Amino acid sequence: GDSVTQTEGLVTLTEGLPVMLNCTYQTIYSNPFLFWYVQHLNESPRLLLKSFTDNKRTEHQGFHATLHKSSSSFHLQKSSAQLSDSALYYCALHDYKPTFGKGTSLVVHP
Amino acid sequence: GGIITQTPKFLIGQEGQKLTLKCQQNFNHDTMYWYRQDSGKGLRLIYYSITENDLQKGDLSEGYDASREKKSSFSLTVTSAQKNEMAVFLCASSPGTINQDTQYFGPGTRLLVL
Repeated sequence: GDSVTQTEGLVTLTEGLPVMLNCTYQTIYSNPFLFWYVQHLNESPRLLLKSFTDNKRTEHQGFHATLHKSSSSFHLQKSSAQLSDSALYYCALHDYKPTFGKGTSLVVHP
Repeated sequence: GGIITQTPKFLIGQEGQKLTLKCQQNFNHDTMYWYRQDSGKGLRLIYYSITENDLQKGDLSEGYDASREKKSSFSLTVTSAQKNEMAVFLCASSPGTINQDTQYFGPGTRLLVL
């Protein structure tokens, strides 16, 4: 079946440094949709960005990601971390059913 | 806009008890989902439903039943609660096409089994 692998566990950054959270996936479908969801403390997950177009950069709220089908990757990046970016981030693959990764917890400190 | 409501917000049960969680959405979405969220294990799909009276098993369906009584509601039953179990159950909905559509999540039900 499908699987999604994310950067494991906890990522700790100093404010102002770049963010990169890795996501790779496995699926037999040739046209997968990839999503990043963000969950802040005591909130529910919500969409951050999504893509199904190969090699096209998608941006939202300062974050960006590019779907690379050749490497089955959809890494999340931001040029400069902010304190408010501290949250749990999920990468997800949607085809006939959704599959989520285990989540990466990002902590940004001053 | 719309909203997803989950009841109850907190659920304390006893070992072996059958427990039911409810979810309502007013987005008029076709597809609804139940997930279990455990720290370090991510979101695991329990059941989903693409239309009223439809049920599809997810990766974690054993030990659970679900029911889609009408388009706006989707309930989940823990058939026999396990001692010391602690988890958050999230309901979600999406407009129609699973692969393309964004999921919208409810606030969750927090379960503790004594």
